[in-house]
Amino acid sequence: RKEVEQDPGPFNVPEGATVAFNCTYSNSASQSFFWYRQDCRKEPKLLMSVYSSGNEDGRFTAQLNRASQYISLLIRDSKLSDSATYLCVTQNNNNDMRFGAGTRLTVKP
Amino acid sequence: NAGVTQTPKFRILKIGQSMTLQCTQDMNHNYMYWYRQDPGMGLKLIYYSVGAGITDKGEVPNGYNVSRSTTEDFPLRLELAAPSQTSVYFCATRDSNQPQHFGDGTRLSIL
Repeated sequence: RKEVEQDPGPFNVPEGATVAFNCTYSNSASQSFFWYRQDCRKEPKLLMSVYSSGNEDGRFTAQLNRASQYISLLIRDSKLSDSATYLCVTQNNNNDMRFGAGTRLTVKP
Repeated sequence: NAGVTQTPKFRILKIGQSMTLQCTQDMNHNYMYWYRQDPGMGLKLIYYSVGAGITDKGEVPNGYNVSRSTTEDFPLRLELAAPSQTSVYFCATRDSNQPQHFGDGTRLSIL
């Protein structure tokens, strides 16, 4: 079983739609959690950290449920520029980061 | 600041050749990482370093070697290139308790 699992998609949504991605992780020792975005043939870039209380950054909201070992990312009012692959990432207290395979999003006009 | 710089950006190797992928950072980060990413797949950790003089194996270290003689540089060496090592290689760095920052990647094909 992969340590970090994501639905690979693709998610195809119209502009303005709200879309949610989920991620589950198996290592209960995971301490920190992140969402990265990766554009085609580019390096991953940090989108946002995920805090226990949940956090919001503009149109993006991240939630963490430690009991269920589950992380989510909600994107409101999708833009064409949101089209990318979204990577769920966990980090344990040994500084070991594990990446999910990513969820591909395409936002269409 | 250049951040994380990887060279070369592209390379084609023949089976059995060797090469070194370079990674340099100017952020004075202690932690450095090498990942490979195969098409449609997630990143897999090859090796990492928590500081100069210290390196550790990741998930997929076979066929690779690293060294960390300075804080700035973390080269990845392929001694005997094999077709299975065709991939995109990313170097990343981070500061303590901070997320990782990635270089642009090196696209390597072995034919």
